[in-house]
Amino acid sequence: AQSVTQPDIHITVSEGASLELRCNYSYGATPYLFWYVQSPGQGLQLLLKYFSGDTLVQGIKGFEAEFKRSQSSFNLRKPSVHWSDAAEYFCAVVGGSQGNLIFGKGTKLSVKP
Amino acid sequence: NAGVTQTPKFRVLKTGQSMTLLCAQDMNHEYMYWYRQDPGMGLRLIHYSVGEGTTAKGEVPDGYNVSRLKKQNFLLGLESAAPSQTSVYFCASRIEGISSGELFFGEGSRLTVL
Repeated sequence: AQSVTQPDIHITVSEGASLELRCNYSYGATPYLFWYVQSPGQGLQLLLKYFSGDTLVQGIKGFEAEFKRSQSSFNLRKPSVHWSDAAEYFCAVVGGSQGNLIFGKGTKLSVKP
Repeated sequence: NAGVTQTPKFRVLKTGQSMTLLCAQDMNHEYMYWYRQDPGMGLRLIHYSVGEGTTAKGEVPDGYNVSRLKKQNFLLGLESAAPSQTSVYFCASRIEGISSGELFFGEGSRLTVL
């Protein structure tokens, strides 16, 4: 069965520092992968997605992610974090016959001034 | 453009009471979903619908029922609420097609069962 693992429950970075959030997936074929962000008290918003082609995908708010098939990973990166990036981030993969999304348990990002 | 709207946003229930959460979307999406979010558990799929008049069970369907009588609305019901159903509930929708993927979420409904 498809699954998504986000190894880091909580990460704290300083404002202006670089960020990498890890995501590992389990899927037999070429996966459809997503990163969503959830600000406090809000629903989830799509940051970026990977379906095929270029393994480095660009998203909104300056985020990017790299698909690495050999490592079954889809890590999210940002070169310079802003205080407004503090939120919870969810990695997801499409799974099952109906194309439902399977979410990881999330990584909470805190940003130090 | 409202997107996905959930009502109510907050509700407190006593054990054994019933209630219905309403999700409405104005994007003409075929697929609609109900998730629950609990600390450290991520989002877990309760039920979903692939079109008007259809519903299907997700990962954690027990204790919940759903209906999709109109394409734009997806209702989640709790017939006899239990404290274990205290959670934040999110509705989401998307267009048809496995490659579309992108879900559009409501802002959530926080339910407390005492």
